[in-house]
Amino acid sequence: QKEVEQDPGPLSVPEGAIVSLNCTYSNSAFQYFMWYRQYSRKGPELLMYTYSSGNKEDGRFTAQVDKSSKYISLFIRDSQPSDSATYLCAINAGGTSYGKLTFGQGTILTVHP
Amino acid sequence: NAGVMQNPRHLVRRRGQEARLRCSPMKGHSHVYWYRQLPEEGLKFMVYLQKENIIDESGMPKERFSAEFPKEGPSILRIQQVVRGDSAAYFCASSPQRAAFDEQFFGPGTRLTVL
Repeated sequence: QKEVEQDPGPLSVPEGAIVSLNCTYSNSAFQYFMWYRQYSRKGPELLMYTYSSGNKEDGRFTAQVDKSSKYISLFIRDSQPSDSATYLCAINAGGTSYGKLTFGQGTILTVHP
Repeated sequence: NAGVMQNPRHLVRRRGQEARLRCSPMKGHSHVYWYRQLPEEGLKFMVYLQKENIIDESGMPKERFSAEFPKEGPSILRIQQVVRGDSAAYFCASSPQRAAFDEQFFGPGTRLTVL
C-alpha cells in the first residue's frame, strides 16, 4: 500500500467550475499537509499548507484536512484556464523525518475555456 | 532574488557513463533536498542535506547514487554507471532553516535521459 494515494485523473472541467482534488494517506504520524502545483516542464510550487484538521482558505483555494479519516482535499472555486496543471498533495511527518516530503502521484487538471 | 538553480536542464548519457547534477539553493538557504520524478509517478524523496552533512538518505538507492553539499559551491547528485531506469526528472529543493514547517522551494529540474 502506498503511503499517499492520489487519483491521477486526468480531470477536465469547464472554466468557472468548482474542482475537488483528493488524497488519502495511511500513516497517522503525518502532521503537515501541503498542496503543490506543477506546470509542465517546471518544478512544483507550494500552493497551501496546513497543520491541523479543518479548512484553510486562500483566495479561490481551500485546503481541507480530516485526520480521523486520513483524507485531504483541495478545492478550487471559479477555476480558470491558468489553473491547468498537475496538482500534487504532499505530506510530512515532522520530527526525525522533517526533510522528507511524501508526494501523491499528482492529478492532471485541465480547465477549458 | 534568484530561485533554486539546477544545471544542466537536460542531460543525455549512455549506459555505463556517469551523470552529475548540480543544484544551487536560494540565497540564504542551507538545506537541500533531492527528489526524483519517474514518468507517470509522483516525486520520490531521495536525500536531505545540510552544508557538509547528509541528514536523511533514506530514499537514496544503495548503489551508484551519492550526494554532497560542500561548504562552498552547489550540491551535487552523482549517478555512476547509469542505466535506462535512471531516466527521470531530478528536482532539487531548498529551505532556509529547520523549523516545525519550512517550505521547500523547488528548482526547474534536470531531465536525465539514458540511451
